[in-house]
Amino acid sequence: GENVEQHPSTLSVQEGDSAVIKCTYSDSASNYFPWYKQELGKRPQLIIDIRSNVGEKKDQRIAVTLNKTAKHFSLHITETQPEDSAVYFCAASRSTGTASKLTFGTGTRLQVTL
Amino acid sequence: ETGVTQTPRHLVMGMTNKKSLKCEQHLGHNAMYWYKQSAKKPLELMFVYSLEERVENNSVPSRFSPECPNSSHLFLHLHTLQPEDSALYLCASSQAGGLAIPGELFFGEGSRLTVL
Repeated sequence: GENVEQHPSTLSVQEGDSAVIKCTYSDSASNYFPWYKQELGKRPQLIIDIRSNVGEKKDQRIAVTLNKTAKHFSLHITETQPEDSAVYFCAASRSTGTASKLTFGTGTRLQVTL
Repeated sequence: ETGVTQTPRHLVMGMTNKKSLKCEQHLGHNAMYWYKQSAKKPLELMFVYSLEERVENNSVPSRFSPECPNSSHLFLHLHTLQPEDSALYLCASSQAGGLAIPGELFFGEGSRLTVL
């Protein structure tokens, strides 16, 4: 089955700096890579995703890159703000059947300090 | 109510008790999931129901028993649990797009379970 590794487990940056979180996956057939954000005491929510037919996707201050050859993908947050503080999870899956069978990474706790 | 709602939000039970977690989605989705979230571990997929049929069970112990009576409701029946089963149990739903596109998962707020 799929195995997703995520680094770092914790990340502290100053407000305004950039943050980068990296994930690797094992199943070369995986073709969908979402990122979820979970604020303290709240539910995980999708913030951005990328499919295997593109190498990069950007949404305002958030971008995700995918390297299918190396089987890794990364989340980039620029101009970080205190409200970016949360746990971020990467995930990977292949498109099979009617359900999303995501394999998640262990999460990165991002702390944005003033 | 909108989105995905879970009850109870908190549950404390002894190892010999029987309890159930409930999940309801108001999004018209066709797939529902149970995930287990433990400290310093990835979100673990426990069960998937798509079109009311269970399609996957990742070797979860039989003390966890899912039930999906229709596409809007999902239960997780618990019996003779162990202390290591203490965790946050998250329900999610999605609208699967067939073979080409996995659907975004919409999570509930979770049921925090403590097994004494």
